[in-house]
Amino acid sequence: GAGVSQSPSNKVTEKGKDVELRCDPISGHTALYWYRQSLGQGLEFLIYFQGNSAPDKSGLPSDRFSAERTGGSVSTLTIQRTQQEDSAVYLCASSYTGTSNSPLHFGNGTRLTVT
Amino acid sequence: QKEVEQDPGPLSVPEGAIVSLNCTYSNSAFQYFMWYRQYSRKGPELLIYTYSSGNKEDGRFTAQVDKSSKYISLFIRDSQPSDSATYLCAMSANRGSTLGRLYFGRGTQLTVWP
Repeated sequence: GAGVSQSPSNKVTEKGKDVELRCDPISGHTALYWYRQSLGQGLEFLIYFQGNSAPDKSGLPSDRFSAERTGGSVSTLTIQRTQQEDSAVYLCASSYTGTSNSPLHFGNGTRLTVT
Repeated sequence: QKEVEQDPGPLSVPEGAIVSLNCTYSNSAFQYFMWYRQYSRKGPELLIYTYSSGNKEDGRFTAQVDKSSKYISLFIRDSQPSDSATYLCAMSANRGSTLGRLYFGRGTQLTVWP
């Protein structure tokens, strides 16, 4: 079956512009995560959605970052007024229930470059 | 201090070698431990998953967890060139029935040469 799909795969934007990154999770998966991976760094948690519960936004680095999940499926991560330090690979993952025995399935990420 | 520490390597071994990868952590609340493999320009994929202390084996891969030392390991037997990738450890605290946020190490870059 289809895996987690992210678009675009690559995005180059000018400093100060807004960008939107999209994630289509695996159908039926109730949990959805956004992580950021910078060169040589591990995965940095950004935000986590679980069903209809309030999202865990504790990892968002600033108020320029926001995310929403519509209809419990597709999610969009928005970065406003992009900065060069926002350049990274943004990874989305989903899991069936978000429970402890339900593994995360990752997409291949959106590579964001801010010039 | 990061919650999860992992030596980034790089690690280079000949084909057929036994590979040992390790992570340490500081949060005693972590109960679930995972290893992910990530090929270049791809998303991480789950290799093996363990709960609490002990060992788990899956084919050529064995995961070990020592909660008393806050230390986890991944062993790869009979390593192959196709194992060349970055290996990420990840862990999560048990919050009732939900997995919640995963904490990742920086990843160890492994090259297996023929």
